[in-house]
Amino acid sequence: DAMVIQNPRYQVTQFGKPVTLSCSQTLNHNVMYWYQQKSSQAPKLLFHYYDKDFNNEADTPDNFQSRRPNTSFCFLDIRSPGLGDAAMYLCATSINADEQFFGPGTRLTVL
Amino acid sequence: AQSVTQPDIHITVSEGASLELRCNYSYGATPYLFWYVQSPGQGLQLLLKYFSGDTLVQGIKGFEAEFKRSQSSFNLRKPSVHWSDAAEYFCAVGTTSGTYKYIFGTGTRLKVLA
Repeated sequence: DAMVIQNPRYQVTQFGKPVTLSCSQTLNHNVMYWYQQKSSQAPKLLFHYYDKDFNNEADTPDNFQSRRPNTSFCFLDIRSPGLGDAAMYLCATSINADEQFFGPGTRLTVL
Repeated sequence: AQSVTQPDIHITVSEGASLELRCNYSYGATPYLFWYVQSPGQGLQLLLKYFSGDTLVQGIKGFEAEFKRSQSSFNLRKPSVHWSDAAEYFCAVGTTSGTYKYIFGTGTRLKVLA
C-alpha cells in the first residue's frame, strides 16, 4: 500500500545532542510537511517543501532544519534539542492543496 | 485573519448516541475543509473533505459533515457513536493560494461511555 513512513517511531536523545528524524513516501506527492505536536494540542507546522522549494514558518526556531534530497524522502534535523523540543513529530504529504496524508509520527524524548 | 475554531475541547457521549462536533472558520476565499481523527500516539487519519459541490459530505466510519457558507461552519456528525470513536478530532482549513498548508482547529477530544 502507498503510504507515509516515519523512522524511528520512538527516538530518545540527550539535551543538546543532534538528532535526525526521517520520513519517506511511496505516494509520489509533490508537497511534504513537518509538524510538531505536543500533548493535547493541534499539530504545528514547522516547514514544508513544495517540490524542491523550502517554506519555513516564521516562528520555527533556527534549531530546526530540514532536507529533501529527492521526492520520496524528507528529513528533520534538530541541531541542539532542548527539553521543550520533546514532542510528536508528524510528517505529511499532499498533491498541492488536496488532502494531506500523515505518517504515524516519531515520538521524541529529550533527556 | 484566517482561523479555525472548535468550541468544544471535550465532549462525552454514550455509546449509540448521536454526535455533532462543531467547527467554524474564518477564511477570505472559498475554503477547502477537512476533518481528521487522531487516536493516541498515532498520526492523523482523514475522515472527509469538502472542496465544492454538494454541501453534505459523506466520509469514512459513518461520519458526515455539512458545509454552511452563511454560518462559516463545517460541523461533523455521526448518528450513532461506537466506543472505538473515542479519539481527538481536528477540523482544518486548507489554504488554496500561495503555499498549500492547513490551518488547524485546536481539536475536540471525544470520550464515549459504554
